[in-house]
Amino acid sequence: QQQVKQSPQSLIVQKGGISIINCAYENTAFDYFPWYQQFPGKGPALLIAIRPDVSEKKEGRFTISFNKSAKQFSLHIMDSQPGDSATYFCAASMLNTNAGKSTFGDGTTLTVKP
Amino acid sequence: DAGVIQSPRHEVTEMGQEVTLRCKPISGHNSLFWYRQTMMRGLELLIYFNNNVPIDDSGMPEDRFSAKMPNASFSTLKIQPSEPRDSAVYFCASSGQGSYNQPQHFGDGTRLSIL
Repeated sequence: QQQVKQSPQSLIVQKGGISIINCAYENTAFDYFPWYQQFPGKGPALLIAIRPDVSEKKEGRFTISFNKSAKQFSLHIMDSQPGDSATYFCAASMLNTNAGKSTFGDGTTLTVKP
Repeated sequence: DAGVIQSPRHEVTEMGQEVTLRCKPISGHNSLFWYRQTMMRGLELLIYFNNNVPIDDSGMPEDRFSAKMPNASFSTLKIQPSEPRDSAVYFCASSGQGSYNQPQHFGDGTRLSIL
């Protein structure tokens, strides 16, 4: 019930292309879905997040698409750049319970080739 | 604004030694999380605190691991005795209060190598 499944494990995209990472969750009580970006030698950092009352959220080149009925959400990176090469984690949590505990996906290593 | 501060950044020690990792959360945050990251197991939640009280330590792998949060601005994760399989990057994260203000803010981690 607490799992978040993330795919693919790794992704190689050409510069300028679209990167798409998918996540699926089981617990319908989750109500906050952040994506984190991690560079080598650094901790994960929030990239973008969505609440289930909207189906899409866009910030610059990054978009989250959310499908509540399918219990799935995805990260789209438009016009991917070499600087986007990093590991991306999706997560899910219940905002007002569990003291902010998040359940993380296993991560996707994105490589953007110049 | 200072972020989450972890020390040391790197630790290399011999098997059997005691290891203490330290974390200073963001001021005003009332939840603190300890994670371990390895290639094999990804990002694992070890334990988390709310208002300095341990809420869930089910992720702590063995009795060799212990964590404390004596006050709102400091937490430690201790491994005693350490083993080579404990080698990993250990992250501390904190998150705010109110409606458990998301997201989690991570430190840059402690890279631990047990020889």
